Amino acid sequence: QLQLQESGPGLVKASETLSLTCTVFGGSISRSRYYWAWVRQPPGKGLEWIGSVHYSGSTYFNPSLKSRVTVSVDTSKNQFSLKVTSATAADTAVYYCAGDDGNGEHYFDCWGQGTLVTVSS
Amino acid sequence: AIQLTQSPSSLSASVGDTVTITCRASQGISSALGWYQQKPEKPPKLLIYDASTLQSGVPSRFSGSGSATDFTLTISSLQPEDFATYYCQHFNSYLYTFGQGTKLEIK
Repeated sequence: QLQLQESGPGLVKASETLSLTCTVFGGSISRSRYYWAWVRQPPGKGLEWIGSVHYSGSTYFNPSLKSRVTVSVDTSKNQFSLKVTSATAADTAVYYCAGDDGNGEHYFDCWGQGTLVTVSS
Repeated sequence: AIQLTQSPSSLSASVGDTVTITCRASQGISSALGWYQQKPEKPPKLLIYDASTLQSGVPSRFSGSGSATDFTLTISSLQPEDFATYYCQHFNSYLYTFGQGTKLEIK
């Protein structure tokens, strides 16, 4: 069973870049059908998908964030990463990494525990 | 983009009750809908996919139904551990969309 773990700074200054990494345990990130995603949840609010990456490097993003977001994969480390540039207080959230096995329709069947990132002014 | 609207936003129920949560899509999505449960300080957990298929390990008191634009999640014989927030989710045209959530509280 796959386990995911987020890591990265819990505090980011406004206008700087928010960077997080997700390490996948219990299996290869290069599973052919898996798409790896970032989902965030502002305090007390709902879930927002940010973007996804396949081990091949193909990516797709939430249009509302696309201009500021990069998602990449490092198969040698079994990790994928998120960068959000020009961070603002609105980016303060719990950030989850998740996996979509791509078997038919698309759902997230594995999740990290989440990491809170606070953007301070 | 397809939008998902859940109702109600919150509801109160007692242990042993049966509750139903609704998710309405802004356009037809066949049966491509998932349901998640999220407890405080925890990640979401996939309960149901393809509108009505129970994810492995999920108790049978959870059930899903619907197609096209109208979907329901039913929880029968509520247990104390079922009090949580529930989200529906759909994927289309390289975009994942979540409903706004339904918080199920103990009466």
